[in-house]
Amino acid sequence: QKEVEQDPGPLSVPEGAIVSLNCTYSNSAFQYFMWYRQYSRKGPELLMYTYSSGNKEDGRFTAQVDKSSKYISLFIRDSQPSDSATYLCAMTPGYSSASKIIFGSGTRLSIRP
Amino acid sequence: ETGVTQSPTHLIKTRGQQVTLRCSSQSGHNTVSWYQQALGQGPQFIFQYYREEENGRGNFPPRFSGLQFPNYSSELNVNALELDDSALYLCASSLLEYQETQYFGPGTRLLVL
Repeated sequence: QKEVEQDPGPLSVPEGAIVSLNCTYSNSAFQYFMWYRQYSRKGPELLMYTYSSGNKEDGRFTAQVDKSSKYISLFIRDSQPSDSATYLCAMTPGYSSASKIIFGSGTRLSIRP
Repeated sequence: ETGVTQSPTHLIKTRGQQVTLRCSSQSGHNTVSWYQQALGQGPQFIFQYYREEENGRGNFPPRFSGLQFPNYSSELNVNALELDDSALYLCASSLLEYQETQYFGPGTRLLVL
């Protein structure tokens, strides 16, 4: 079983819809949770990060972490065609000499005009 | 733009050859991590360098090695290339204490024939 599971999609929604992207994980040591956006043939771009449980909002994006369920979500409101990309969740226990970031496999999202 | 650059953008090698990939980190960042991203997968952690010393390694064989230099640049070396080494290689720079906010370069796409 992978440490981080993410539905690969593809997910196709009409412009203006609310998008929900999710990841589950198995390692209870994870404390920092990140979402990256990756356009085709580009490097991942950090969208948001959260520490421990709770919600964080940034413009049209909201990240949620539920550590009791080992479940994280990213919501995109008023989705735009420019949001079409692969979204990667990532997580890490945090600062330590051996810490590393574990990524999900990514969800491919397409926003239809 | 993240301020992280990588060279070359694309590379074609044959099995058994050796390759060196280069990364220039964001100014002031003391930590660089290297990832391998196969098609349709999330990035997989190869290793991390902090102040020119290896600071953690993923499940990659010793033929993957690296260097970090005082001027924020770094190298990933792969010896005895195998077909499965074909992937996008990403470097990401950060401060060690804030690894949740690491910034990726655009990657080097390596094809091994």
